[in-house]
Amino acid sequence: GAGVSQSPSNKVTEKGKDVELRCDPISGHTALYWYRQSLGQGLEFLIYFQGNSAPDKSGLPSDRFSAERTGGSVSTLTIQRTQQEDSAVYLCASSLLNQGIAQYFGPGTRLTVL
Amino acid sequence: QQPVQSPQAVILREGEDAVINCSSSKALYSVHWYRQKHGEAPVFLMILLKGGEQKGHEKISASFNEKKQQSSLYLTASQLSYSGTYFCGTAFSGGYNKLIFGAGTRLAVHP
Repeated sequence: GAGVSQSPSNKVTEKGKDVELRCDPISGHTALYWYRQSLGQGLEFLIYFQGNSAPDKSGLPSDRFSAERTGGSVSTLTIQRTQQEDSAVYLCASSLLNQGIAQYFGPGTRLTVL
Repeated sequence: QQPVQSPQAVILREGEDAVINCSSSKALYSVHWYRQKHGEAPVFLMILLKGGEQKGHEKISASFNEKKQQSSLYLTASQLSYSGTYFCGTAFSGGYNKLIFGAGTRLAVHP
């Protein structure tokens, strides 16, 4: 079956602009996660969705970051007034349940803020 | 809370073995291992739940020592395809599946 897909694959934007990153999880996966990976670094947790609810937003770096999920499926991560330090690869993952279950990652969106 | 991975980097010849460790200062519910090749998404390898079990996947296996809050990934008879960065992701007791990842271990396998 289809895996996790993300769009766009690459996004170049100017400092101060808003961007939207999209994630389509594996069909039927109830849990969805957003991570950020800076160049040469590990993965940093941003937010977790169970269905359309986000019980854990603790990883969002600032109030410029927000995310939503609709229909228990597609999720959008929005970054307002982008800064150069926002440049990173944004990875989305999904899983069937929430505990002890494998997370499957999408290919990521490489965001470059000039 | 970030787990500590060691070593930071490993260079192997084909056929050699390696061990990658992941240690946490906080009680773990589960440990997830992933491999990421350059420019690609992390690929799931295996999960270990608390209980000290060991799991295997081809010539790659892992153990989870609950007492030490440590997991080890064993790469046996390495192949060129094993090259990449290995990450452990840890989930803590009582939580859901939010993963805190280590900084990664870079593995290079040469002919």
